[in-house]
Amino acid sequence: DSGVTQTPKHLITATGQRVTLRCSPRSGDLSVYWYQQSLDQGLQFLIQYYNGEERAKGNILERFSAQQFPDLHSELNLSSLELGDSALYFCASSVAGGFHEQYFGPGTRLTVT
Amino acid sequence: AQTVTQSQPEMSVQEAETVTLSCTYDTSESNYYLFWYKQPPSRQMILVIRQEAYKQQNATENRFSVNFQKAAKSFSLKISDSQLGDTAMYFCALRDSNYQLIWGAGTKLIIKP
Repeated sequence: DSGVTQTPKHLITATGQRVTLRCSPRSGDLSVYWYQQSLDQGLQFLIQYYNGEERAKGNILERFSAQQFPDLHSELNLSSLELGDSALYFCASSVAGGFHEQYFGPGTRLTVT
Repeated sequence: AQTVTQSQPEMSVQEAETVTLSCTYDTSESNYYLFWYKQPPSRQMILVIRQEAYKQQNATENRFSVNFQKAAKSFSLKISDSQLGDTAMYFCALRDSNYQLIWGAGTKLIIKP
C-alpha cells in the first residue's frame, strides 16, 4: 500500500459525459501528479500540482482539467468524454516537486461506452 | 527531446534464474534521476529502485540492482533469484528538472515455474 488513495476504482460512463476522479496523496506529500495509461501502453504524464499550484503540464487535453485543494487532495475532471478516453488513470504523489520518487495510487479504470 | 527506450517488449525466464532488463535514455541534463517501476497484473505501479545520476555507485534493493552507465546512457535492471511474484510489466523512467517522469514503453517479464 503506497498510501495514495484514488476513488472510484472503476467508472463506466457514456460518450459526451463528464466525470471527476479523486486522489488523496500520502500524508506529508505536497505534489500530486496525474497520468493516463491506455491499454497495453506506457504512462502519459498529464499534469502536476505542488501545494495547490499547477507546476507542470504534459499531454493533457483541453477537455481535461485538474486542481489541488487546500487539504492537498486533487481532482481530475474529464469532460465531453470520447471512447478513446477509456484508460487507467493514475495519481501519484511525492514529498516535493523535485527529484523525489513518486508513489502511485491504485488507479481509476475509466470505461467510456 | 528526452526519451527513454526499452528494447525488449517481452522476456521470460525460469524461476530462480537471473534476468536483466535493458533501458537506454537520452537527456541533455547533467542532473537527473532514473527509476524502475513494476506493474503486476493488479496494475498497481510499484517503485522498484532509483538511481541518482550524480552517484557512480549502482543502486541495490535486495534482489534488484541496476547497472548505470552514465556515458552510455544505459540503465539496466538485474533481478537475481527471480520469483513468480516478479512477473509484471517493468517500466524505466527518467525524471529531469522539469519534474516530469518520461517513461519507456515497458518490458513484460514472465517468470516460469
